[in-house]
Amino acid sequence: GESVGLHLPTLSVQEGDNSIINCAYSNSASDYFIWYKQESGKGPQFIIDIRSNMDKRQGQRVTVLLNKTVKHLSLQIAATQPGDSAVYFCAENTSDKLIFGTGTRLQVFP
Amino acid sequence: GAGVSQSPSNKVTEKGKDVELRCDPISGHTALYWYRQSLGQGLEFLIYFQGNSAPDKSGLPSDRFSAERTGGSVSTLTIQRTQQEDSAVYLCASSLGGTASNEKLFFGSGTQLSVL
Repeated sequence: GESVGLHLPTLSVQEGDNSIINCAYSNSASDYFIWYKQESGKGPQFIIDIRSNMDKRQGQRVTVLLNKTVKHLSLQIAATQPGDSAVYFCAENTSDKLIFGTGTRLQVFP
Repeated sequence: GAGVSQSPSNKVTEKGKDVELRCDPISGHTALYWYRQSLGQGLEFLIYFQGNSAPDKSGLPSDRFSAERTGGSVSTLTIQRTQQEDSAVYLCASSLGGTASNEKLFFGSGTQLSVL
């Protein structure tokens, strides 16, 4: 079946460094992708989205890159801060519902 | 309220009991979603409402699971004869009026269900 997966289950970075979280998707028909951040005990929080007619989108300190050729999505966080520590999920739209990956835990150390 | 509200935040029940989980979406949001998140896992789609109707129930794990939505607002997820494998966080999300292909979903904090 269709799936969304992540390459790294845990990512540790030093405060101030840039973080890159990767995601692979398998449904070539997906046209909408979202990154969510989930802190402990909370629901997922929207970070940034991108449509399939784009290959890059920037937000505040975050950038999402979409490579449709290899069906790859990445989230880049600039100048990572302790408050960025959380689990990050990518999600793709398929059949009018969002399918989520397993998640990557981002740990920021001083 | 300002966000999606779910109640209770925590529910402990005995195996075999029925439970009801409630979701209040953001005012004016017509689309509502239920997801389940097991410990350390991603989000598993359960069901989606557009208004009061459910175009997609494909994610409901068994016939012990059902959901309804009334007045285009509040939704209730019911689990009958709970089993230990039902233990998880049940998350509700809403969006303004389109489908998941058009709009971002706003999530509540979830209900942590523990079946003993």
